[in-house]
Amino acid sequence: DQQVKQNSPSLSVQEGRISILNCDYTNSMFDYFLWYKKYPAEGPTFLISISSIKDKNEDGRFTVFLNKSAKHLSLHIVPSQPGDSAVYFCAASARGSQGNLIFGKGTKLSVKP
Amino acid sequence: DVKVTQSSRYLVKRTGEKVFLECVQDMDHENMFWYRQDPGLGLRLIYFSYDVKMKEKGDIPEGYSVSREKKERFSLILESASTNQTSMYLCASSFLGAQGDTQYFGPGTRLTVL
Repeated sequence: DQQVKQNSPSLSVQEGRISILNCDYTNSMFDYFLWYKKYPAEGPTFLISISSIKDKNEDGRFTVFLNKSAKHLSLHIVPSQPGDSAVYFCAASARGSQGNLIFGKGTKLSVKP
Repeated sequence: DVKVTQSSRYLVKRTGEKVFLECVQDMDHENMFWYRQDPGLGLRLIYFSYDVKMKEKGDIPEGYSVSREKKERFSLILESASTNQTSMYLCASSFLGAQGDTQYFGPGTRLTVL
């Protein structure tokens, strides 16, 4: 049973507009959430994270929102750029899990010029 | 910057061959991981290690083994490669930060088994 779900396999957005990638989780023990970006034939790159004690974390064009009651997080990219086209993975961990992350299956973002 | 390196970017092997994938990290991280990535399946954990000579099975350990003789190095071994092990293999290492564990990935090895 998937503990971390990314229900949209793909998303297409126009350059300059906002991209919103969504992620749902089921395990209430998760207390740390991360987003990774992956280009083809490369390893995932850490993008941004958020602790469960916060509901928002911002880094430049990237903002992650966490809604604990809904067990939902989202990644906002504003403005979207063609170089943002990649697969985005959501991941979650719980304290004491020896560094294990549970990954979603990814959402492929395409930003059209 | 965290550096995780993997021994090969692309590898082609024959069915039945023994395959070694090497991973080295330079940040003194305790934890290291091996994943495989396949289209539509996301990242699946094969094995991980939280200390030298320690190893734990992940979600899909069958057909694989690992070795961690030194803290910085974590090897994945395919004892007898099969075509269904054709995949992208990703190594990661992690540290426990103030808020949680962040994994850093190597560039990946695209393995093709013929």
